[in-house]
Amino acid sequence: KAGVTQTPRYLIKTRGQQVTLSCSPISGHRSVSWYQQTPGQGLQFLFEYFSETQRNKGNFPGRFSGRQFSNSRSEMNVSTLELGDSALYLCASSMTGVNSPLHFGNGTRLTVT
Amino acid sequence: GENVEQHPSTLSVQEGDSAVIKCTYSDSASNYFPWYKQELGKGPQLIIDIRSNVGEKKDQRIAVTLNKTAKHFSLHITETQPEDSAVYFCAASRGTSYDKVIFGPGTSLSVIP
Repeated sequence: KAGVTQTPRYLIKTRGQQVTLSCSPISGHRSVSWYQQTPGQGLQFLFEYFSETQRNKGNFPGRFSGRQFSNSRSEMNVSTLELGDSALYLCASSMTGVNSPLHFGNGTRLTVT
Repeated sequence: GENVEQHPSTLSVQEGDSAVIKCTYSDSASNYFPWYKQELGKGPQLIIDIRSNVGEKKDQRIAVTLNKTAKHFSLHITETQPEDSAVYFCAASRGTSYDKVIFGPGTSLSVIP
């Protein structure tokens, strides 16, 4: 069974730009959740989607948004990038949600200059 | 808000010794407690989890204990091997489909051959 795939692996963007990250979950998994990982703040929950609906979100500004498609693939968008958005962005898929084992991808490393 | 504390932040042990990582959570409604291992350049991987109706769970060299009264849970690794070297994260969630998951700050474990 293929694992969770995140693209691209690396991104370099300039302040003020926007970026879209992609996540393909494990086949059959309907939940996709997103996390920001930084050395200072650790792993922070961004939001979770299940069957194309956002079920919960963390404490991030509205510049961070996401969506999920009918095939469970998900995208995350960050608009008006700030230097502090530089981080590893991880997505995870699961059968039922964050209350069940999460299967993480290897992340997208975003650098904002 | 909800919080998960994790100690120690770094841990070095000799190969063959045991390692113990402890976490404390603040939300008394939490009832799902997974542990993840993250190797360099990879996403976190679930190694063991426990739900609040169980006090202890073992899987070969790994065990997790839970004390709901004290809001503590711990990871125990016996007979450590160099390949156990990684960053370990504990996490807590309420176990409902509409919940968010809160991660501890992580413990960097080094196993010295």
